[in-house]
Amino acid sequence: SQTIHQWPATLVQPVGSPLSLECTVEGTSNPNLYWYRQAAGRGLQLLFYSVGIGQISSEVPQNLSASRPQDRQFILSSKKLLLSDSGFYLCAWSRTLGTQYFGPGTRLTVL
Amino acid sequence: EDQVTQSPEALRLQEGESSSLNCSYTVSGLRGLFWYRQDPGKGPEFLFTLYSAGEEKEKERLKATLTKKESFLHITAPKPEDSATYLCAATGLGGATNKLIFGTGTLLAVQP
Repeated sequence: SQTIHQWPATLVQPVGSPLSLECTVEGTSNPNLYWYRQAAGRGLQLLFYSVGIGQISSEVPQNLSASRPQDRQFILSSKKLLLSDSGFYLCAWSRTLGTQYFGPGTRLTVL
Repeated sequence: EDQVTQSPEALRLQEGESSSLNCSYTVSGLRGLFWYRQDPGKGPEFLFTLYSAGEEKEKERLKATLTKKESFLHITAPKPEDSATYLCAATGLGGATNKLIFGTGTLLAVQP
């Protein structure tokens, strides 16, 4: 069976500090990978998606970036965090155009 | 613009009191309509995928239905453990991204 991991589970960072969130998937190969952000009272917003190693597409312009150094690893980064980057970050995977399955999430608080 | 709207925003039920959650969508060329359950502080848990109008799927006390404009999540004789936020999402023919358009969810509270 497939499993998706995210870490860290929670993170408190000062404004202007860098960020690195990691997502890994087990039990499948060549998955589509996605990063979402969920703000309180709002729906999930797609930030990035990837259909293969090194292939990243951005949905929303911002100071975040994503990378996919390995088939089942997806990383969300920032060089300098803003207060508005606070939120619940979710990674998801799917087989091509199929159902997306979500990880446990990372709660990021920027102070 | 593709859009998904859920109602009500919040719903409080007594244990055993059946009800329905609504998801209205405007998506070009619907490819799939998805229901997820999300508990506080956790990632969404997949429940159902519906592909075409008239389709129905069931799981325990939950039943999802789909028409050309909306989807319903029917909850029969709910229990307190059914309390959660229920999210609806849709994907259409707009590109190969498999992009999900999410509603803002319905917060369900089932009281014993």
